[in-house]
Amino acid sequence: QLQLQESGAGLVKPSETLSLTCTVSGGSFSDTNNYWGWFRQPPGRGLEWIGNVYFRGGSYYSPSLRGRVTISVDTSGNQFSLNLHSVTAADSAVYYCAKARGTYFMDASDVWGQGTMITVSS
Amino acid sequence: DIQMTQSPSSLSASVGDRVTLTCRASQGIITSLNWYQQKPGKAPKLLIYAASSLQSGVPSRFSGSGSGADFTLTISSLQPEDSATYYCQQTYSVPLTFGQGARLTIK
Repeated sequence: QLQLQESGAGLVKPSETLSLTCTVSGGSFSDTNNYWGWFRQPPGRGLEWIGNVYFRGGSYYSPSLRGRVTISVDTSGNQFSLNLHSVTAADSAVYYCAKARGTYFMDASDVWGQGTMITVSS
Repeated sequence: DIQMTQSPSSLSASVGDRVTLTCRASQGIITSLNWYQQKPGKAPKLLIYAASSLQSGVPSRFSGSGSGADFTLTISSLQPEDSATYYCQQTYSVPLTFGQGARLTIK
């Protein structure tokens, strides 16, 4: 059964870069024809889409974060990563990685990681 | 951006009740609408995709309907484990956006 697990530093200083990795297990990352994505959820608030990446490297980002965000893949490590630059307190949230259900990024996400809380504070 | 508005924002119902949650898009999105269930401290769980398709493993008491701008999620017979927040999501255009959520509690 496919499982996703987020990892990365839980505390990031303002103006620095938030870096997270999602490790895929229970299946071969590059054997699927799926898109993989990141979402976030500030405490007590709703869900926000950050962006998606294809295992061959194409990516799509939310316009509100474009310019600060990069999502990349490491097929050999069965991982994909999120880098969010120049963070502020507004970027504090639970960050989730997820798999798109179909073969297009504009699809529901059917497998999710457990989420990891990231706090931006000096 | 397409705005997704859910109603009601919160609801309390009894076990066995039929419950209907509504999601309205700010423009037509054909059937590019998904429903998720989220319990406290947990990741969202996909229930319904493409407006009316039941995700594998999801109980058949959950159903979705609608097209264009108006959608509903129905729980035919509410169970105690259905207490959660429910989110709709549109995947018609970028950015993919969610409703604000609907909190369902059991009386």
